Amino acid sequence: GQQLNQSPQSMFIQEGEDVSMNCTSSSIFNTWLWYKQDPGEGPVLLIALYKAGELTSNGRLTAQFGITRKDSFLNISASIPSDVGIYFCAGLADGNTGKLIFGQGTTLQVKP
Amino acid sequence: DAGVTQSPTHLIKTRGQHVTLRCSPISGHKSVSWYQQVLGQGPQFIFQYYEKEERGRGNFPDRFSARQFPNYSSELNVNALLLGDSALYLCASSRAGPRFRNTIYFGEGSWLTVV
Repeated sequence: GQQLNQSPQSMFIQEGEDVSMNCTSSSIFNTWLWYKQDPGEGPVLLIALYKAGELTSNGRLTAQFGITRKDSFLNISASIPSDVGIYFCAGLADGNTGKLIFGQGTTLQVKP
Repeated sequence: DAGVTQSPTHLIKTRGQHVTLRCSPISGHKSVSWYQQVLGQGPQFIFQYYEKEERGRGNFPDRFSARQFPNYSSELNVNALLLGDSALYLCASSRAGPRFRNTIYFGEGSWLTVV
């Protein structure tokens, strides 16, 4: 199926470090969503972006909707052990179909 | 308010059998979507229903079908199960419609194992 290009695929960092991950697409999206998924659970929405250039924060998380509407990034500052999990970007091309296109995920591991 | 609720949480089926998965959206949400997530991959879109009508379909065979009820809950049905149908099936809800920003929330999922 169709997927976004999400990188990096995995990260292993020290507690307290900052983290950055991004997604790119060949298609334009009207909405970018970032989710975190823990093992055995459903994706939990972290940040939603609706407008090109938009920069939104949620606690230690900051995400931006790229100007070209074909990319987005997520930053996590001062990582903590509970940040461990898989982070997914997802783009929505048509606002009324609910058809999200997901990235492959970034697996984050944090060393205390 | 309760989030998106799905049932059952886990189930095991035999090849060739049929399965029905159920989903209740967040109160006030009229759109329900279904996704399949196999291990190590991101979710793949199967269907979207809005106001009880199918509004989108992903690249899945006709063995997969769904419907939405007047209370906006939904069922996903899969016939003639194959081993490759083993996956986490996720339900998502949103307000949808042109007046709303499309923020999409997921349930915990139903783990299906086909043996």
